[in-house]
Amino acid sequence: GQQLNQSPQSMFIQEGEDVSMNCTSSSIFNTWLWYKQDPGEGPVLLIALYKAGELTSNGRLTAQFGITRKDSFLNISASIPSDVGIYFCAGPQDSNYQLIWGAGTKLIIKP
Amino acid sequence: SAVISQKPSRDICQRGTSLTIQCQVDSQVTMMFWYRQQPGQSLTLIATANQGSEATYESGFVIDKFPISRPNLTFSTLTVSNMSPEDSSIYLCSVLSGDEGAFFGQGTRLTVV
Repeated sequence: GQQLNQSPQSMFIQEGEDVSMNCTSSSIFNTWLWYKQDPGEGPVLLIALYKAGELTSNGRLTAQFGITRKDSFLNISASIPSDVGIYFCAGPQDSNYQLIWGAGTKLIIKP
Repeated sequence: SAVISQKPSRDICQRGTSLTIQCQVDSQVTMMFWYRQQPGQSLTLIATANQGSEATYESGFVIDKFPISRPNLTFSTLTVSNMSPEDSSIYLCSVLSGDEGAFFGQGTRLTVV
């Protein structure tokens, strides 16, 4: 079945640094979604991508839908303490509405 | 977008007991989804709850253990039955909203002792 490979698994960065994480798949996705999950909360949608090559920004966040439809990245510029959390990529399966999830990238900001 | 209220937000339960989690959506939706998220893990779909029909369970999840109700288009419950410590997880309900992707409740953090 379809799978999403997300990396890195975790990141330790200094406040103010830029962050980059990505998801890849061996199969094509028509939509890529990026979510953030804060401790004790459900995931919240950050950015949705629908077209190959699409580059979309949401404040300090930028995400791109790879031209091959098999990958996507999420960048966070000038990280701040509230960026801490787990970031997930997700995409709907070809056959139905169900989402497939990456394993998540845990972002930790060093004081 | 959709606003989802889920409760309880957390609970500590004795093994062998059952807990029912409620999920209320502020708009009518055809399908609601129940996920489990074990500590440090990604989300795993338990089942899809459809109004007027039985829920559709994913591999590894059965109705006897996770009975689901869907009495109308804005509400669903998930029961975790005969709990054991291995059931300690975050349980999340979710809905799809057109092209906006999935929206989630705040989750129920369950600890079984």
